[in-house]
Amino acid sequence: GENVEQHPSTLSVQEGDSAVIKCTYSDSASNYFPWYKQELGKRPQLIIDIRSNVGEKKDQRIAVTLNKTAKHFSLHITETQPEDSAVYFCAASIHQAGTALIFGKGTTLSVSS
Amino acid sequence: EAQVTQNPRYLITVTGKKLTVTCSQNMNHEYMSWYRQDPGLGLRQIYYSMNVEVTDKGDVPEGYKVSRKEKRNFPLILESPSPNQTSLYFCASSYGGATNEQFFGPGTRLTVL
Repeated sequence: GENVEQHPSTLSVQEGDSAVIKCTYSDSASNYFPWYKQELGKRPQLIIDIRSNVGEKKDQRIAVTLNKTAKHFSLHITETQPEDSAVYFCAASIHQAGTALIFGKGTTLSVSS
Repeated sequence: EAQVTQNPRYLITVTGKKLTVTCSQNMNHEYMSWYRQDPGLGLRQIYYSMNVEVTDKGDVPEGYKVSRKEKRNFPLILESPSPNQTSLYFCASSYGGATNEQFFGPGTRLTVL
């Protein structure tokens, strides 16, 4: 089955710096890669996702890149702000009936001002 | 308001006492799933359901049961809870499957003594 590895497990940056979180997946059939943000005590919420027919996607300060050959994808946050502090999860899934969604173990991002 | 609800939000119980955690969504989503979240292990999928009467095992199904008799409800049943099932549980739903945005419930904090 699918396995998703996420690094680093913790990341500390200064406000205004960029942050990069990387994930690798094992199943080459995976074709959907979302990123979820979980603030302390809250539920996970989708912040951006990418499908395998696209190499990069941006939404304001957030971008995701996908390298299908290497089977890895990354989350890039530019101009970080204290409110970006949270746990970020990557995930992978295959678009077919009955499929599961496999999450990485998460990255705790701390942005200090 | 579109939402996923879970009950109870907090539960302390004893080993072996059967319990049910309810999950309900009002968005007419076909796909529903249960996750457990443990420190350092991220979100692990327990069971998922593609539609009414269609359920399948996720990564960690041992000790859990589910049912999907109605589209809106997806209860999680622990027939004989054990301390290793102490965790934070999230229900989620989505339109069309695992390859679309998952909408998470608020979570249920379960402690098994």
